[in-house]
Amino acid sequence: GAGVSQTPSNKVTEKGKYVELRCDPISGHTALYWYRQSLGQGPEFLIYFQGTGAADDSGLPNDRFFAVRPEGSVSTLKIQRTERGDSAVYLCASSPDAANEQFFGPGTRLTVL
Amino acid sequence: SQQGEEDPQALSIQEGENATMNCSYKTSINNLQWYRQNSGRGLVHLILIRSNEREKHSGRLRVTLDTSKKSSSLLITASRAADTASYFCATDLNYGGATNKLIFGTGTLLAVQP
Repeated sequence: GAGVSQTPSNKVTEKGKYVELRCDPISGHTALYWYRQSLGQGPEFLIYFQGTGAADDSGLPNDRFFAVRPEGSVSTLKIQRTERGDSAVYLCASSPDAANEQFFGPGTRLTVL
Repeated sequence: SQQGEEDPQALSIQEGENATMNCSYKTSINNLQWYRQNSGRGLVHLILIRSNEREKHSGRLRVTLDTSKKSSSLLITASRAADTASYFCATDLNYGGATNKLIFGTGTLLAVQP
């Protein structure tokens, strides 16, 4: 079946702009996660959704970052007033529930000029 | 912050040899997972070992877990050039029930020479 998909695959933006990154999880997966990965590092947790609600947003670096999952399926990560330090690969993962393996999408590479 | 640390940071071996990667972590866990990543993009889940398990096998992969030492190892036997990738361990922390996020290590870059 279809895996986790993310769009766009690449996004180049200018400092100060607003961006939205989209994640389509595997159908039926209730748990959805966002991670951010900088070059040469492992992924770092940003936020976790169980259904429509953000069960854990402790990894969001500041209030410029926000994510939604209004219908419990597709999720959008929103970044306001982008900074060069936001440049990274943003990874989305989904899971049938919160205690099992996570299935990752291919990521969105965000470059802030 | 990252809880896990993989050792070594980089490993180069010949095709057919075995590769061993180690992971250490800091706090108690529900489970530990190993992932592979090619070309810095999507991660592929390899194996999950729960805190009450000591060893697990999947094909050419063997994972051990020592909770008293807070460490795990991943062994890839009879390596192939296609195994060339970065390998990450990720811990699912013990939150007293449902867990919700993975804490990744810094990764081991494995290069298998044909």
